[in-house]
Order: sequence, then C-alpha cells, then structure tokens
Amino acid sequence: GENVEQHPSTLSVQEGDSAVIKCTYSDSASNYFPWYKQELGKGPQLIIDIRSNVGEKKDQRIAVTLNKTAKHFSLHITETQPEDSAVYFCAASRPGGSYIPTFGRGTSLIVHP
Amino acid sequence: GAVVSQHPSRVICKSGTSVKIECRSLDFQATTMFWYRQFPKKSLMLMATSNEGSKATYEQGVEKDKFLINHASLTLSTLTVTSAHPEDSSFYICSAGGISGNTIYFGEGSWLTVV
Repeated sequence: GENVEQHPSTLSVQEGDSAVIKCTYSDSASNYFPWYKQELGKGPQLIIDIRSNVGEKKDQRIAVTLNKTAKHFSLHITETQPEDSAVYFCAASRPGGSYIPTFGRGTSLIVHP
Repeated sequence: GAVVSQHPSRVICKSGTSVKIECRSLDFQATTMFWYRQFPKKSLMLMATSNEGSKATYEQGVEKDKFLINHASLTLSTLTVTSAHPEDSSFYICSAGGISGNTIYFGEGSWLTVV
C-alpha cells in the first residue's frame, strides 16, 4: 500500500519567514495530493491540493510543488504569520472509487511573532 | 469548499453507556465517508470507511462491534461507540468525499470523554 513520509515533524520560524514542509510517497499510481491545516481542537481544513498533471499550484501565500519522478511534493508558505501556526498534514491518494487517502504524520508549524 | 458538519462537538458519557456521533455533508452528496480517531499531538488514525448503503470497512485492529458505523444516506453517517470505556476517550473526526475526484473534506471533530 501507499506510504507517506512527512518532514519535519516540527518547524519553528519567525514571522515573515518562509516555511517549507516536504512529503514523499511510495505508490506511483497516486495522483492526488492535498494539504490540510489543523488548528488546535478542530478538524483538518483543506488548504490546497495538486493533481499529478501539474507540477506547481499557488494560492496567495501558499504553494505546492510536485515531482512525480522523485515521488515527492512540498508545501511552501511565504510571509508567515502567527495565525499560520497549526499542524499541517499532507496526503496522497490513488484515482478511482476507493480513494482512501494516506496521510503523513503531520508537521507542527510554530510562527513566532 | 464543501461543508461537513459533525455533532456533537463535545460529549461526556458514563462508562458502559453508548454514544452516537453524527456526520453530515451539508452541500454535497457524500458517496464515501471516513471516520478517524486522533490522540493528542498525533496523526489521524483511520478507523473505517463507509459507502452509502453498504457495510463499513474497518481497519485492522478496530473493533466493529464496538464502533458501529452507519451510512444510511448520501448526507449522513453515524459512529456509535458502544459500552464506552475511559480508554475510548478521544477526538473523533469524520470526513466525506464525493464532489470531485478524490477530494475529501473534514468535519469539525467530536471530543468524547468517558468518565
């Protein structure tokens, strides 16, 4: 089955700096890679996703890049703000009706004001 | 994005009783719903996958007789924790998919405390 590795487990940055979280996956058939942000005591919220037919996607301060050959994808947050502090999860899933996503173990991002 | 609502957000129950958590997709039809359990500062642990109108598929190690999952309609799935014990205390989260491709959306989560 799919295996998703996520690094780092904890990331501490100063406000205004950039933050990068990296994930690797093992199943070459995976074609959908979402990122979720989970604030304390809440459910994860989808913040950006990318499909295997594109290499990069951007939405304001966040961007995701995908390298299918190397089987890794990354989340980039620029100009970080204290409200970006949360746990971020990457995931990978295959196409088809049974699209159970496999999640990474999460990255706790702390943005210091 | 799509909205998935979970209820109750917090529940306290006595040991030995059962408690039901509801998960609703408010603005789309969820062909598949997932139930997760999350321990403090830990990742999401998939408990089961349910498709509307069929029996849930449980992950290895999850007791299907203890965690009853029903997906009776395209907008509602329920998780019933039967004969709850303090070790069942946790954060339970549902997610739903069915809008586009394999995108899934999460509910707000339910904190269960068994005393």
